Amino acid sequence: DGGITQSPKYLFRKEGQNVTLSCEQNLNHDAMYWYRQDPGQGLRLIYYSQIVNDFQKGDIAEGYSVSREKKESFPLTVTSAQKNPTAFYLCASSGLAGGVNRYEQFFGPGTRLTVL
Amino acid sequence: GIQVEQSPPDLILQEGANSTLRCNFSDSVNNLQWFHQNPWGQLINLFYIPSGTKQNGRLSATTVATERYSLLYISSSQTTDSGVYFCAVRGYGQNFVFGPGTRLSVLP
Repeated sequence: DGGITQSPKYLFRKEGQNVTLSCEQNLNHDAMYWYRQDPGQGLRLIYYSQIVNDFQKGDIAEGYSVSREKKESFPLTVTSAQKNPTAFYLCASSGLAGGVNRYEQFFGPGTRLTVL
Repeated sequence: GIQVEQSPPDLILQEGANSTLRCNFSDSVNNLQWFHQNPWGQLINLFYIPSGTKQNGRLSATTVATERYSLLYISSSQTTDSGVYFCAVRGYGQNFVFGPGTRLSVLP
């Protein structure tokens, strides 16, 4: 099945610990994105990557880091510098280069992170 | 950056009723998507509609880019339509910006 997978589904972290959220896609999409969603609110962009080995900060990148070593993988690390990390994290991917809907985003099921 | 507003913020319907959700945006966009977020948090693509009108079963959407709004129509609503509906827009050379959502509850 083609799609986007995220793991784990639920994650609990103690204060001061770094954690890494996994995102994998087999849609052959060029671009991948990480969003954060707080209760009752919309999504905010953390980081995005349009090609392998390149990524850019979104609107709320402080306290987060990413890597893009493979086209299909875009892991997100929530560092201890992130002051309020408890949230729902969603990964998305979009577009084949030159495609008609190259910016249409598709989302994974999300990871719920709770800091204890 | 682009500002996105959605109305109404909350909507309660009886099963079988029709509804219209609205998305207003503050600047020119070249991409627009509608999503349904189910109770488990999954975002489901409804429409990719930077302009024009599209229909998919009981749902349809219209975007009037020159007037900076999009409408999502839900006809003969079902309890499974409950959840949050998001509009996301993308300006030229920018990333997608999400609206705050419309929370829909369909009662049996």
